[in-house]
Amino acid sequence: GAGVSQSPSNKVTEKGKDVELRCDPISGHTALYWYRQRLGQGLEFLIYFQGNSAPDKSGLPSDRFSAERTGESVSTLTIQRTQQEDSAVYLCASSLWGTTQETQYFGPGTRLLVL
Amino acid sequence: GDSVTQMEGPVTLSEEAFLTINCTYTATGYPSLFWYVQYPGEGLQLLLKATKADDKGSNKGFEATYRKETTSFHLEKGSVQVSDSAVYFCALSSNDYKLSFGAGTTVTVRA
Repeated sequence: GAGVSQSPSNKVTEKGKDVELRCDPISGHTALYWYRQRLGQGLEFLIYFQGNSAPDKSGLPSDRFSAERTGESVSTLTIQRTQQEDSAVYLCASSLWGTTQETQYFGPGTRLLVL
Repeated sequence: GDSVTQMEGPVTLSEEAFLTINCTYTATGYPSLFWYVQYPGEGLQLLLKATKADDKGSNKGFEATYRKETTSFHLEKGSVQVSDSAVYFCALSSNDYKLSFGAGTTVTVRA
């Protein structure tokens, strides 16, 4: 079946502009995660959604970052007033229930470059 | 907090060589341990996992054993191929659902 998809695959923006990144999880997966991967570094957790529970936003680096999820489907990550340090690959993942033992399935990522 | 430390790269090997990538962790509770791989131009995908102490995860000729006493989960493959060239990430999931990743190790296998 279809995997996790993300759009756009690449985004170049000017400093100070807002950007919106989209994630379509695997159908039926109740858990959805956003991570950020800076060049040469590991992935940093940003935010987690599970069903109708309140999202865990503990990884968001500043109040310029926000995310929403519609039911158990599409999620959007919004970065307002982008800064150069926001340049990174933003990865979305989903899993069936969100437990610690589950495999998380990753999308191809959105590569964001802030000029 | 949870953290993962893995061997820094890059690692360059000849085909059929033995590969080891070291990974150690710090975690609360009883974590599940994972190796994810990112092939050139592709997304991150699970390579193998182990969910309790002494479990061995294996896939595509790769193996890793969950060692609680040494808090390690080293990745090994006995004979690498050019197609194994990729970035390898060690990760853990502890008392909650989020994955904590190591910095990644770039492996290049030469023919």
